[in-house]
Amino acid sequence: EPEVTQTPSHQVTQMGQEVILRCVPISNHLYFYWYRQILGQKVEFLVSFYNNEISEKSEIFDDQFSVERPDGSNFTLKIRSTKLEDSAMYFCASRGDRAYADTQYFGPGTRLTVL
Amino acid sequence: AQKVTQAQTEISVVEKEDVTLDCVYETRDTTYYLFWYKQPPSGELVFLIRRNSFDEQNEISGRYSWNFQKSTSSFNFTITASQVVDSAVYFCALSSDNAGNMLTFGGGTRLMVKP
Repeated sequence: EPEVTQTPSHQVTQMGQEVILRCVPISNHLYFYWYRQILGQKVEFLVSFYNNEISEKSEIFDDQFSVERPDGSNFTLKIRSTKLEDSAMYFCASRGDRAYADTQYFGPGTRLTVL
Repeated sequence: AQKVTQAQTEISVVEKEDVTLDCVYETRDTTYYLFWYKQPPSGELVFLIRRNSFDEQNEISGRYSWNFQKSTSSFNFTITASQVVDSAVYFCALSSDNAGNMLTFGGGTRLMVKP
């Protein structure tokens, strides 16, 4: 069964450093998302991406964040200068086209720890 | 704005008991989608069910059942004869075409099933 994959599973970084979180969405999916979950809290939407551009973003997704689909398979989230409050689990999700099912399937997550 | 409320933050039951997880949502959209996801201790988000706003039929899948009531804006989830493996955090979520299909999650309900 196709699945979303994410690397690394855990990333530890120093405050102020740049990090790139990687995702490989399900191959025939067209819409891609990033969400984050601060420990013990709910899952929050960050950004959606379709047709090589951002379609929606939340107020959390400020200038420190960027997304990219550098090739036909990867979807990345970059945080330019990490802060302590960026420590969270980051989930990538993907879904097919609107007619298909509108269900988002999630990757296993990357736990980001900022020291 | 969309909102999902899961009033029960934590539920503890003994194995074989039935348990219902409540979910109440708010949206101004006439077409929307409701979801339940399971987050086991390992941390991933596992899709359980999707329901379209125009389909109020209740659904049963094995020990799981879902009760969608538009009149009360609720989408409750019942586990019959609970098992220890059901222990997890369960999230209800909402999306709509007008809101960019991003998922708005509730705060989650932590279910603990004791042997």
